[in-house]
Amino acid sequence: AQSVAQPEDQVNVAEGNPLTVKCTYSVSGNPYLFWYVQYPNRGLQFLLKYITGDNLVKGSYGFEAEFNKSQTSFHLKKPSALVSDSALYFCAVRDGIRGNNRLAFGKGNQVVVIP
Amino acid sequence: NAGVTQTPKFQVLKTGQSMTLQCAQDMNHEYMSWYRQDPGMGLRLIHYSVGAGITDQGEVPNGYNVSRSTTEDFPLRLLSAAPSQTSVYFCASSVRGTNEKLFFGSGTQLSVL
Repeated sequence: AQSVAQPEDQVNVAEGNPLTVKCTYSVSGNPYLFWYVQYPNRGLQFLLKYITGDNLVKGSYGFEAEFNKSQTSFHLKKPSALVSDSALYFCAVRDGIRGNNRLAFGKGNQVVVIP
Repeated sequence: NAGVTQTPKFQVLKTGQSMTLQCAQDMNHEYMSWYRQDPGMGLRLIHYSVGAGITDQGEVPNGYNVSRSTTEDFPLRLLSAAPSQTSVYFCASSVRGTNEKLFFGSGTQLSVL
Protein backbone atom coordinates (compact mmCIF):
# COMPACT_ATOMS: atom_id res chain seq x y z
CA ALA A 1 0.00 0.00 0.00
CA GLN A 2 1.12 3.55 -0.58
CA SER A 3 0.01 6.58 1.38
CA VAL A 4 0.92 10.12 2.25
CA ALA A 5 0.41 12.10 5.45
CA GLN A 6 0.29 15.87 5.56
CA PRO A 7 -0.04 16.49 9.29
CA GLU A 8 -0.96 20.18 9.28
CA ASP A 9 -4.25 21.49 7.96
CA GLN A 10 -3.03 25.05 7.56
CA VAL A 11 0.34 26.75 7.54
CA ASN A 12 0.51 30.47 8.26
CA VAL A 13 3.68 32.37 7.42
CA ALA A 14 4.61 36.02 7.14
CA GLU A 15 5.65 37.30 3.74
CA GLY A 16 9.42 37.07 3.37
CA ASN A 17 9.79 34.30 5.94
CA PRO A 18 10.77 30.72 5.09
CA LEU A 19 7.91 28.41 4.19
CA THR A 20 7.85 24.69 5.00
CA VAL A 21 5.03 22.27 4.20
CA LYS A 22 5.47 18.82 5.71
CA CYS A 23 4.90 15.45 4.08
CA THR A 24 5.65 11.91 5.18
CA TYR A 25 5.03 8.85 3.07
CA SER A 26 4.62 5.10 3.25
CA VAL A 27 5.43 2.74 0.37
CA SER A 28 6.60 -0.83 0.11
CA GLY A 29 9.50 -0.10 -2.23
CA ASN A 30 11.35 2.94 -3.50
CA PRO A 31 9.15 6.04 -3.58
CA TYR A 32 8.36 8.39 -6.42
CA LEU A 33 7.37 11.66 -4.72
CA PHE A 34 5.60 14.75 -6.03
CA TRP A 35 4.33 18.14 -4.95
CA TYR A 36 1.39 19.87 -6.62
CA VAL A 37 -0.21 23.26 -5.93
CA GLN A 38 -3.85 24.26 -6.37
CA TYR A 39 -4.93 27.88 -6.63
CA PRO A 40 -8.60 28.76 -5.96
CA ASN A 41 -11.03 27.33 -8.53
CA ARG A 42 -8.22 25.80 -10.56
CA GLY A 43 -6.84 22.35 -11.26
CA LEU A 44 -3.61 21.17 -9.68
CA GLN A 45 -0.27 22.28 -11.09
CA PHE A 46 2.96 20.30 -10.90
CA LEU A 47 5.74 21.80 -8.76
CA LEU A 48 8.45 19.16 -8.55
CA LYS A 49 9.22 15.45 -8.28
CA TYR A 50 11.78 13.09 -6.81
CA ILE A 51 12.46 9.81 -8.60
CA THR A 52 16.10 9.13 -7.87
CA GLY A 53 19.39 10.99 -7.44
CA ASP A 54 20.07 14.14 -5.44
CA ASN A 55 17.96 14.35 -2.29
CA LEU A 56 17.34 18.08 -2.81
CA VAL A 57 14.97 18.70 -5.69
CA LYS A 58 14.36 22.13 -7.17
CA GLY A 59 11.07 22.98 -8.80
CA SER A 60 8.86 25.75 -10.11
CA TYR A 61 8.31 29.21 -8.53
CA GLY A 62 11.39 28.93 -6.28
CA PHE A 63 10.20 25.85 -4.41
CA GLU A 64 12.41 22.94 -3.43
CA ALA A 65 11.90 19.72 -1.51
CA GLU A 66 14.23 17.45 0.42
CA PHE A 67 13.90 13.68 0.30
CA ASN A 68 14.84 12.01 3.58
CA LYS A 69 14.71 8.24 3.34
CA SER A 70 15.39 7.53 7.02
CA GLN A 71 12.53 9.80 8.11
CA THR A 72 10.32 8.89 5.12
CA SER A 73 9.74 12.57 4.53
CA PHE A 74 9.57 14.90 1.56
CA HIS A 75 9.04 18.40 2.95
CA LEU A 76 8.41 21.30 0.59
CA LYS A 77 10.35 24.50 1.23
CA LYS A 78 10.70 28.03 -0.03
CA PRO A 79 13.30 30.41 1.41
CA SER A 80 11.13 33.55 1.20
CA ALA A 81 7.34 33.26 0.92
CA LEU A 82 5.24 35.55 -1.26
CA VAL A 83 1.59 36.47 -0.80
CA SER A 84 0.97 34.84 -4.18
CA ASP A 85 2.14 31.50 -2.70
CA SER A 86 -1.12 31.30 -0.75
CA ALA A 87 -2.73 28.13 -2.07
CA LEU A 88 -3.47 24.48 -1.33
CA TYR A 89 -0.44 22.19 -1.54
CA PHE A 90 -0.62 18.44 -2.15
CA CYS A 91 2.05 15.83 -1.64
CA ALA A 92 1.73 12.61 -3.66
CA VAL A 93 3.52 9.27 -3.78
CA ARG A 94 3.65 6.04 -5.71
CA ASP A 95 5.94 3.11 -5.20
CA GLY A 96 8.51 2.46 -7.90
CA ILE A 97 7.13 -0.93 -8.89
CA ARG A 98 7.01 -1.25 -12.67
CA GLY A 99 3.48 -0.97 -13.98
CA ASN A 100 2.10 0.84 -10.94
CA ASN A 101 0.08 3.75 -12.27
CA ARG A 102 -1.77 4.68 -9.12
CA LEU A 103 -0.71 7.93 -7.46
CA ALA A 104 -1.78 8.53 -3.85
CA PHE A 105 -2.38 12.12 -2.76
CA GLY A 106 -2.36 13.56 0.72
CA LYS A 107 -5.27 15.62 2.04
CA GLY A 108 -3.55 18.88 1.27
CA ASN A 109 -2.20 21.80 3.27
CA GLN A 110 -3.63 25.29 3.04
CA VAL A 111 -0.82 27.83 3.02
CA VAL A 112 -1.65 31.39 4.00
CA VAL A 113 1.05 34.00 3.48
CA ILE A 114 0.36 37.09 5.56
CA PRO A 115 1.43 40.43 4.07
CA ASN B 1 -2.67 25.55 -25.75
CA ALA B 2 -5.90 23.82 -24.68
CA GLY B 3 -4.24 21.10 -22.54
CA VAL B 4 -6.86 19.14 -20.58
CA THR B 5 -10.44 20.29 -21.12
CA GLN B 6 -13.30 19.25 -18.84
CA THR B 7 -17.00 19.85 -19.41
CA PRO B 8 -19.29 20.84 -17.86
CA LYS B 9 -17.81 23.10 -15.17
CA PHE B 10 -20.89 22.80 -12.96
CA GLN B 11 -23.69 20.25 -12.82
CA VAL B 12 -26.63 19.59 -10.53
CA LEU B 13 -28.27 16.17 -10.63
CA LYS B 14 -31.12 14.49 -8.85
CA THR B 15 -30.55 11.19 -7.10
CA GLY B 16 -30.79 8.35 -9.60
CA GLN B 17 -30.00 10.39 -12.69
CA SER B 18 -27.09 9.45 -14.93
CA MET B 19 -24.60 11.70 -16.67
CA THR B 20 -21.23 11.78 -18.35
CA LEU B 21 -18.36 14.07 -17.42
CA GLN B 22 -16.24 14.81 -20.45
CA CYS B 23 -12.45 15.01 -20.54
CA ALA B 24 -10.33 15.66 -23.60
CA GLN B 25 -6.60 16.32 -23.99
CA ASP B 26 -4.73 17.51 -27.06
CA MET B 27 -1.19 16.60 -25.97
CA ASN B 28 -1.20 13.00 -27.27
CA HIS B 29 -0.82 11.71 -23.71
CA GLU B 30 -1.12 7.98 -23.18
CA TYR B 31 -2.10 8.17 -19.50
CA MET B 32 -5.39 9.68 -18.33
CA SER B 33 -7.11 9.53 -14.98
CA TRP B 34 -10.08 10.75 -12.97
CA TYR B 35 -9.91 11.99 -9.39
CA ARG B 36 -12.50 13.29 -6.99
CA GLN B 37 -11.64 15.97 -4.46
CA ASP B 38 -13.47 16.15 -1.16
CA PRO B 39 -12.71 18.49 1.77
CA GLY B 40 -10.21 16.99 4.20
CA MET B 41 -9.67 13.93 2.02
CA GLY B 42 -7.45 15.20 -0.75
CA LEU B 43 -7.71 13.63 -4.18
CA ARG B 44 -8.81 10.04 -4.60
CA LEU B 45 -8.29 8.09 -7.81
CA ILE B 46 -11.46 6.78 -9.44
CA HIS B 47 -10.29 5.19 -12.71
CA TYR B 48 -7.31 5.50 -14.99
CA SER B 49 -6.18 4.48 -18.47
CA VAL B 50 -2.72 3.80 -19.88
CA GLY B 51 -3.84 3.94 -23.49
CA ALA B 52 -6.77 3.60 -25.86
CA GLY B 53 -8.78 0.50 -25.02
CA ILE B 54 -7.13 0.00 -21.61
CA THR B 55 -8.73 1.09 -18.33
CA ASP B 56 -8.33 0.09 -14.69
CA GLN B 57 -9.87 0.85 -11.33
CA GLY B 58 -8.47 3.25 -8.81
CA GLU B 59 -9.20 3.70 -5.14
CA VAL B 60 -12.92 4.57 -5.34
CA PRO B 61 -14.38 3.11 -8.57
CA ASN B 62 -17.86 2.10 -7.38
CA GLY B 63 -20.68 3.95 -9.10
CA TYR B 64 -18.49 5.12 -11.98
CA ASN B 65 -17.70 3.73 -15.43
CA VAL B 66 -15.05 4.75 -17.94
CA SER B 67 -14.00 3.87 -21.45
CA ARG B 68 -11.11 4.99 -23.65
CA SER B 69 -11.95 4.60 -27.33
CA THR B 70 -9.49 7.29 -28.47
CA THR B 71 -6.22 8.69 -27.13
CA GLU B 72 -7.82 12.12 -26.69
CA ASP B 73 -10.99 11.37 -24.74
CA PHE B 74 -11.66 9.75 -21.37
CA PRO B 75 -15.29 10.26 -20.26
CA LEU B 76 -16.49 9.41 -16.76
CA ARG B 77 -20.02 8.05 -16.45
CA LEU B 78 -22.14 8.19 -13.33
CA LEU B 79 -24.63 5.36 -13.68
CA SER B 80 -27.14 6.33 -10.97
CA ALA B 81 -26.10 9.44 -9.09
CA ALA B 82 -26.09 9.44 -5.29
CA PRO B 83 -25.58 12.32 -2.83
CA SER B 84 -22.27 10.71 -1.81
CA GLN B 85 -21.01 11.52 -5.30
CA THR B 86 -21.28 15.24 -4.66
CA SER B 87 -17.70 16.36 -5.22
CA VAL B 88 -15.28 18.18 -7.48
CA TYR B 89 -13.99 15.94 -10.24
CA PHE B 90 -10.62 16.39 -11.93
CA CYS B 91 -9.29 14.75 -15.04
CA ALA B 92 -5.52 14.50 -15.42
CA SER B 93 -3.15 13.23 -18.09
CA SER B 94 0.54 12.59 -18.57
CA VAL B 95 2.81 11.45 -21.35
CA ARG B 96 3.07 7.86 -20.18
CA GLY B 97 2.30 7.32 -16.53
CA THR B 98 2.46 8.50 -12.96
CA ASN B 99 6.26 8.80 -12.82
CA GLU B 100 5.79 11.88 -14.96
CA LYS B 101 4.00 15.10 -14.16
CA LEU B 102 0.25 15.17 -14.43
CA PHE B 103 -1.60 17.93 -16.28
CA PHE B 104 -4.96 18.65 -14.68
CA GLY B 105 -8.17 20.04 -16.07
CA SER B 106 -9.99 22.86 -14.29
CA GLY B 107 -12.54 20.53 -12.70
CA THR B 108 -16.26 19.80 -12.69
CA GLN B 109 -18.24 20.70 -9.58
CA LEU B 110 -21.06 18.17 -9.21
CA SER B 111 -23.95 18.37 -6.76
CA VAL B 112 -26.36 15.46 -6.34
CA LEU B 113 -29.59 16.35 -4.56
